[in-house]
Amino acid sequence: GQQLNQSPQSMFIQEGEDVSMNCTSSSIFNTWLWYKQEPGEGPVLLIALYKAGELTSNGRLTAQFGITRKDSFLNISASIPSDVGIYFCAGQRNYGQNFVFGPGTRLSVLP
Amino acid sequence: DGGITQSPKYLFRKEGQNVTLSCEQNLNHDAMYWYRQDPGQGLRLIYYSQIVNDFQKGDIAEGYSVSREKKESFPLTVTSAQKNPTAFYLCASSPRTGPDTGELFFGEGSRLTVL
Repeated sequence: GQQLNQSPQSMFIQEGEDVSMNCTSSSIFNTWLWYKQEPGEGPVLLIALYKAGELTSNGRLTAQFGITRKDSFLNISASIPSDVGIYFCAGQRNYGQNFVFGPGTRLSVLP
Repeated sequence: DGGITQSPKYLFRKEGQNVTLSCEQNLNHDAMYWYRQDPGQGLRLIYYSQIVNDFQKGDIAEGYSVSREKKESFPLTVTSAQKNPTAFYLCASSPRTGPDTGELFFGEGSRLTVL
């Protein structure tokens, strides 16, 4: 099945810096989800997006549903050490269909 | 607390043995899913179930089997026919109605290692 593309694959940043990552597809999606996963744990849902152009925040995290409906973006402001983990996106073409997933962006925060 | 419980968290098995991974949810979600996670790859769908007593194959169903006899439970059996079973397995559920419709929630995962 189709998988999504995510970039960057990994990133090392200094504590306090802002982070940007994206998720792209060749197909149009109607739902985008962003997750964070820590080693050995299940993914935790961060933000859900349902409309093209939608911008949604969850604390220091902000995600956007791209206007082409083929991409989505996640920003983390003022990063802290506990932001370390793998962030991955999931897309759903239509309600009720199965989700497809990106391989994740591995974030490391240096003190 | 409502959530999805997977057990065991770690499991070791010898080649040729079948193992069953448990997944229980008390979120009253209709749909349940099993995914396999391998390093550097996106989650891949093994099986899913939209309703009790019904389930469908996902992208990589070969060597796996499931049942959905109760709404709360969706166990996954990894059979000896699965060629490369060592992986991290994730169970998820999703509501079909209500405020969380369109969202997918995961359990803590089960790591299976074949010796």
